[in-house]
Amino acid sequence: GAGVSQSPSNKVTEKGKDVELRCDPISGHTALYWYRQSLGQGLEFLIYFQGNSAPDKSGLPSDRFSAERTGGSVSTLTIQRTQQEDSAVYLCASSLLGGNTIYFGEGSWLTVV
Amino acid sequence: GIQVEQSPPDLILQEGANSTLRCNFSDSVNNLQWFHQNPWGQLINLFYIPSGTKQNGRLSATTVATERYSLLYISSSQTTDSGVYFCAVDSGTYKYIFGTGTRLKVLA
Repeated sequence: GAGVSQSPSNKVTEKGKDVELRCDPISGHTALYWYRQSLGQGLEFLIYFQGNSAPDKSGLPSDRFSAERTGGSVSTLTIQRTQQEDSAVYLCASSLLGGNTIYFGEGSWLTVV
Repeated sequence: GIQVEQSPPDLILQEGANSTLRCNFSDSVNNLQWFHQNPWGQLINLFYIPSGTKQNGRLSATTVATERYSLLYISSSQTTDSGVYFCAVDSGTYKYIFGTGTRLKVLA
C-alpha cells in the first residue's frame, strides 16, 4: 500500500493475555518507529529500527514489551501478560532514512479489560 | 534527555483568525518536525524543518535552532484546522521526542 499499515485497528484483550501488533511500513523505508499514546496524552517513544542495525529499545517500558522487524520490513510489537495500564493507541511510523520525514499509520487501539 | 515544551497548551480561535504555536527544546537538535493530529487520531506530517522557514498554503513554520525554538503559524484558520499540534525533535540519535502538544479548536 501507499501508506503505513497497522493491524489490528482495535484489540480488546483480557488482563494477562499476550498481544501482537503488526506494522507494515511504506515500501523502501529503512527506518521504523513505534510510539504509544495514552488517551489525551502525548506520544511516548518505544523503539526505533534502522535497516539491519541493532534497534534503539530505550523507550520500552518493561521487559513485557518486545519488538522485532523481519527482513527489514514488517515489524511486530509484542506485549506479554498485558496490564490495564497498557491500554493505549500504539502508533507505527516509518521514514526513508533515520531523521527524515516521518509518516504515521492509523494506529492500533489496545484495550485491556 | 531532551525536553520539549509547547505553548499554549490549549487554544480556541474564531474561524478566520491567525495563531502562533511555539515549541521550545532544551538541547541542540538535528531534526525537527511538526505534526497535526486530527480529531480521528491520524497524525499528519506538516513540516520537516530543522532550521529556517517553510510555507505550505496557510501554514508556515520557522525554526531558530541556535535559540532552541520553533514556531508554527496558522493564518485564516478553518474548522478543519482543529486538533492537536505536536512538534518532535531528534537530537542526533534519530529517536524523535514529541512535545506536549497544543490543542486547537476553531469555532465556526
